[in-house]
Amino acid sequence: GDSVTQMQGQVTLSEDDFLFINCTYSTTWYPTLFWYVQYPGEGPQLLLKVTTANNKGISRGFEATYDKRTTSFHLQKASVQESDSAVYYCVLGDPSGSWQLIFGSGTQLTVMP
Amino acid sequence: NSKVIQTPRYLVKGQGQKAKMRCIPEKGHPVVFWYQQNKNNEFKFLINFQNQEVLQQIDMTEKRFSAECPSNSPCSLEIQSSEAGDSALYLCASSLGGNTEVFFGKGTRLTVV
Repeated sequence: GDSVTQMQGQVTLSEDDFLFINCTYSTTWYPTLFWYVQYPGEGPQLLLKVTTANNKGISRGFEATYDKRTTSFHLQKASVQESDSAVYYCVLGDPSGSWQLIFGSGTQLTVMP
Repeated sequence: NSKVIQTPRYLVKGQGQKAKMRCIPEKGHPVVFWYQQNKNNEFKFLINFQNQEVLQQIDMTEKRFSAECPSNSPCSLEIQSSEAGDSALYLCASSLGGNTEVFFGKGTRLTVV
C-alpha cells in the first residue's frame, strides 16, 4: 500500500546550520506530497505542497523537490533558526478518492541558539 | 493561518463517559477530516465527509465513535463510552477536496482518567 518513510526521528542543529530531512514514499499513483510542521500544543500546519506538475515547493525558506526516480521528497533549509524547532512530517496525499493524508513518523527538529 | 476552529481545546472524561468535540471547518471547504494523534505522534485517520455525507471511515469509528457534519452547524466527533486508550489529540481538518491543501485546527486534547 501507499506509505511514507522518515528515518530521522530527531535532528539537533545550531542556528544557521543547514537542514536536511530525508523522506521517501511508495505509491502506485502520481503522488501529491506535502510537508507539515507541528509546534507544541498546535495542529499540523501546511509548510509546502508539491505535485508531479510542479516538482519543487518553496515556502518560508524551506524547499523540497520531488524526485520520481528515487521516490524521495527531502526537505531542506539553508539556515535554520531557533524558531524552526518543531516536528516535521512528510505526507502523501491519497489519490484513491478518500483524499486522506498518509503521514510519515515525523522528525523532531531542535535548533540550539 | 488555518481557520479551522476546534472546541474545546481540552477535555477530561472518566472511563465510560461520553466525550464530544466540535469543529467548524474553513469557510467554503466541503471536505472535513478527523484524525487521532497519539502520544507517539502517530496519526490515525478516523473519518471524512464531503458536505454532510461520509466519504470513508475506519472500523473503529463504526463502534464507539460517531461523527456528523450537519449543514449550517459545526461538525462533531463523539465517543460514546471513553476508554483510557482514547486519550489523544483529536484533529479536525478541512479542504476543497481532491489533493488540495488540507488545513488543520489546533485540536482537542482528550484525557480519559
